Amino acid sequence: DAGVIQSPRHEVTEMGQEVTLRCKPISGHNSLFWYRQTMMRGLELLIYFNNNVPIDDSGMPEDRFSAKMPNASFSTLKIQPSEPRDSAVYFCASTGFKWDGYTFGSGTRLTVV
Amino acid sequence: DAKTTQPPSMDCAEGRAANLPCNHSTISGNEYVYWYRQIHSQGPQYIIHGLKNNETNEMASLIITEDRKSSTLILPHATLRDTAVYYCIVRVATGNTGKLIFGQGTTLQVKP
Repeated sequence: DAGVIQSPRHEVTEMGQEVTLRCKPISGHNSLFWYRQTMMRGLELLIYFNNNVPIDDSGMPEDRFSAKMPNASFSTLKIQPSEPRDSAVYFCASTGFKWDGYTFGSGTRLTVV
Repeated sequence: DAKTTQPPSMDCAEGRAANLPCNHSTISGNEYVYWYRQIHSQGPQYIIHGLKNNETNEMASLIITEDRKSSTLILPHATLRDTAVYYCIVRVATGNTGKLIFGQGTTLQVKP
């Protein structure tokens, strides 16, 4: 089991550009979560999906952020246009019917300059 | 979900037991206590969870008071690799549904 796979690991982009972060959950897991972590705000839940359906997106900061889960094995978090205050580490996590905790990916470190 | 209170930081000597407290005085009857930790630059890692009975696994032990208003995570023989931020979270256990909301946690520094 390769765990939750996120790509890219690091992303540096210029303000105004579109950024797409990717996540592959653990096979068989049916819930997927996107988190953002900064020094000031800690770990914040942005959105989560159950069975590919968005359940709660109340943590998404602005309309510039959008997330999709087209199938059980892939999700994207898109920021358009990106701003310097979006700089953070973005984590994806998944869990399944058999409770074994939430498994987090290694994160994507985003820097917007 | 009930709110938790943890000390911002703690130190522990290598090889000794690390006891991390958590206060959750407003916990409801159907809410579980979960512990996660985050080692620097990595994603959070699940440690253990419990409802009212003490729990033990290969990583740690969880002691919950009888009134369930507080709990203690015990790492029996702390190593340098246990240096991390430890999060205590209270939430309703609805299987794989629902949010996991992280607070500020306790930064545990294990010293040689």
